[in-house]
Amino acid sequence: ETGVTQTPRHLVMGMTNKKSLKCEQHLGHNAMYWYKQSAKKPLELMFVYSLEERVENNSVPSRFSPECPNSSHLFLHLHTLQPEDSALYLCASSQGDITYNEQFFGPGTRLTVL
Amino acid sequence: GQNIDQPTEMTATEGAIVQINCTYQTSGFNGLFWYQQHAGEAPTFLSYNVLDGLEEKGRFSSFLSRSKGYSYLLLKELQMKDSASYLCAVGDSNYQLIWGAGTKLIIKP
Repeated sequence: ETGVTQTPRHLVMGMTNKKSLKCEQHLGHNAMYWYKQSAKKPLELMFVYSLEERVENNSVPSRFSPECPNSSHLFLHLHTLQPEDSALYLCASSQGDITYNEQFFGPGTRLTVL
Repeated sequence: GQNIDQPTEMTATEGAIVQINCTYQTSGFNGLFWYQQHAGEAPTFLSYNVLDGLEEKGRFSSFLSRSKGYSYLLLKELQMKDSASYLCAVGDSNYQLIWGAGTKLIIKP
């Protein structure tokens, strides 16, 4: 595997389910990110992990819970989601600060909440 | 507030030239990125501008004017595969990356 991979690619879940999204980067980067992408809206940065330390966006509801067990892996745990959480969830990584450095994105998980 | 403006959609003809504009209002400036995103795929990096002027990379060029809060992405010799969304993003003084909503470019034969 090369680059940034994400699983699953598609996920349909009910509002009472618990599921997790997985991201893995094979680039040796020191920072990883979760983004939410909704149609015709800007990318929303949800969480940042730099050197495995979390920098949290305070506007993200607690039903989204990230986990970064090491510098190569990132998870997004989901529980009691709402239909408005349906979106494309993108993982990205970079070497250093994203305001100066290119981010590498995974293909995303298309999430549908029923 | 911080804001990035891009046209929602543009249409161009194969073989032609198209310019996609991006204007921004941010607290400070630490560089401007352009990313390309094909439908159903990951965004991929195209260019980074931190100083005023034109950066050329093959068929794609990106221009920045910091005094005007303005950038454009110029695509020459358009090909059908250039049909995609083009995302503009600006780094602010708090080292946050502010994203535009993207411009969907449709290429017609």
